[in-house]
Amino acid sequence: DAMVIQNPRYQVTQFGKPVTLSCSQTLNHNVMYWYQQKSSQAPKLLFHYYDKDFNNEADTPDNFQSRRPNTSFCFLDIRSPGLGDAAMYLCATSRGAYEQYFGPGTRLTVT
Amino acid sequence: QKEVEQDPGPLSVPEGAIVSLNCTYSNSAFQYFMWYRQYSRKGPELLMYTYSSGNKEDGRFTAQVDKSSKYISLFIRDSQPSDSATYLCAMTSDYKLSFGAGTTVTVRA
Repeated sequence: DAMVIQNPRYQVTQFGKPVTLSCSQTLNHNVMYWYQQKSSQAPKLLFHYYDKDFNNEADTPDNFQSRRPNTSFCFLDIRSPGLGDAAMYLCATSRGAYEQYFGPGTRLTVT
Repeated sequence: QKEVEQDPGPLSVPEGAIVSLNCTYSNSAFQYFMWYRQYSRKGPELLMYTYSSGNKEDGRFTAQVDKSSKYISLFIRDSQPSDSATYLCAMTSDYKLSFGAGTTVTVRA
């Protein structure tokens, strides 16, 4: 089945220790997104790629970076996680400006 | 004022009842409207997607869009305990989704 896959599903990291979350998709969609979702809140867009073009949201902290080496894969790097970065991180894809399909998420814990 | 306002809930209904979920929006540029279902600790799952005013049915689910009133609704008929989840409305005019805050629904057996 075509899908959006996120690894790992659960990640524990220490305060200040860099962490990388990964996303892959078999939908062959050209747009990929990273969202942060905290408890009982709507997902918050961090950035998105339209093909290889990177688009950063104005309020995304510099601590968050992303890479998209090819159509299928996208990575979220958190350079120095703080306690406030503990959240669910969601990857989504779309074909152009249409409906977005989400992965299962990675739950990040910062100790 | 938020771009998208969603009835906050929570909503608790008996099994078999009709669930009605609503969102209003202020940005008349929005063209695409979606409803997502999110179970606890899982990613949002796309339920319904529409881009025109009117009704769209898919099984027990009906999505309604009224662009003139800037109002969208989701109806769940014959609700089941497995429908217990948070429902998020979302809309877009380009690549960025604007979400409602979500309504948590509990269907009691």
